[in-house]
Amino acid sequence: AQSVTQLGSHVSVSEGALVLLRCNYSSSVPPYLFWYVQYPNQGLQLLLKYTSAATLVKGINGFEAEFKKSETSFHLTKPSAHMSDAAEYFCAVSEDNTDKLIFGTGTRLQVFP
Amino acid sequence: ETGVTQTPRHLVMGMTNKKSLKCEQHLGHNAMYWYKQSAKKPLELMFVYNFKEQTENNSVPSRFSPECPNSSHLFLHLHTLQPEDSALYLCASSPSGESAGELFFGEGSRLTVL
Repeated sequence: AQSVTQLGSHVSVSEGALVLLRCNYSSSVPPYLFWYVQYPNQGLQLLLKYTSAATLVKGINGFEAEFKKSETSFHLTKPSAHMSDAAEYFCAVSEDNTDKLIFGTGTRLQVFP
Repeated sequence: ETGVTQTPRHLVMGMTNKKSLKCEQHLGHNAMYWYKQSAKKPLELMFVYNFKEQTENNSVPSRFSPECPNSSHLFLHLHTLQPEDSALYLCASSPSGESAGELFFGEGSRLTVL
């Protein structure tokens, strides 16, 4: 069965600092991988997705993620954090590359001025 | 209106009440989903509908009863719930088959069971 593990339920960074949110996956087939963001009192919104094309995927709001098969990782990064990036971030894998997503437990990002 | 709309945004109910959550999507999608979001747990997929037909029931207790009258509307009927059912219930839709995994979520209905 496919699954994702997000290391660190909370990450705090200063404004302007690098953001790194970790996600490792488990899948017996080449996975489709996703990062979603949830701002306070809102639903989830797709940030970016990997579907076996380029290993470095660029998303919205300056975020990107790199698929590393050797490390079974799909970490999310942003070079310079902004206050508006404060939110909860969810990594997800698509079960058998369908619309059924299996989500991680989420990482709450805090950005300090 | 655009996107995925959920009503009500907040609901408080007793264990013996019957209530319903409503979801409406204006995106022309063919698949709709109910997810449960509880604190410190991964999002749990509850139900999936494709072209109004239920294609997934993820071992959800029968006190949750979904209904999908057409591709644009999805309901979750609730009755004799337990306090542990208190959570944020998220509805989502997708084009189904065209953009695997790209879900569009509503803002959720926050349910509190007393």
